[in-house]
Amino acid sequence: AQKITQTQPGMFVQEKEAVTLDCTYDTSDQSYGLFWYKQPSSGEMIFLIYQGSYDEQNATEGRYSLNFQKARKSANLVISASQLGDSAMYFCAMREGRDFNKFYFGSGTKLNVKP
Amino acid sequence: EAQVTQNPRYLITVTGKKLTVTCSQNMNHEYMSWYRQDPGLGLRQIYYSMNVEVTDKGDVPEGYKVSRKEKRNFPLILESPSPNQTSLYFCASGVGGGGADTQYFGPGTRLTVL
Repeated sequence: AQKITQTQPGMFVQEKEAVTLDCTYDTSDQSYGLFWYKQPSSGEMIFLIYQGSYDEQNATEGRYSLNFQKARKSANLVISASQLGDSAMYFCAMREGRDFNKFYFGSGTKLNVKP
Repeated sequence: EAQVTQNPRYLITVTGKKLTVTCSQNMNHEYMSWYRQDPGLGLRQIYYSMNVEVTDKGDVPEGYKVSRKEKRNFPLILESPSPNQTSLYFCASGVGGGGADTQYFGPGTRLTVL
């Protein structure tokens, strides 16, 4: 079974609007961490935001927030006030409790911001 | 400047010709890892290392070797490359352990095996 599922291969959003990128995960561990990374067309991987499984509040970092719904095993990324520079590939990733150093990534969502 | 470097950035080779992709970090990180990125599959972990002389398999270790003789270096070795190893490879490093410690990625190495 897939550990991380991103069901939106591509998305469009109008500049200045908010957009939600979906991510669901599969684990039986109680302790795990969820990450979102951005990969612009230049190719580098940029860390955006982190949510721990025991964190009671949703993580926020500037215009990025993580909508964490533990019971549904979802960790959606919300980008508010989209900018043209947000056009990129976005990856959801998980690190499980058993082995903190094994990471699982989703297949990614390509976001295009329209002017 | 804190960074992870990889060399070479681009490589075209032929089937069976041994190659090494180097990875080095200057942040004194204990944890290092290699990934490959393929379209539609995202990133998949090949090997990771918790510290010097400590390495472990990720999800797709077949056809790859690694070594960690020094803390800062974590080379990826393809003893006999095959066309299905054509991919974009990323090295990453981090503090390691649980919590919010993220990974810092290198710029990537695009490998083509003919």
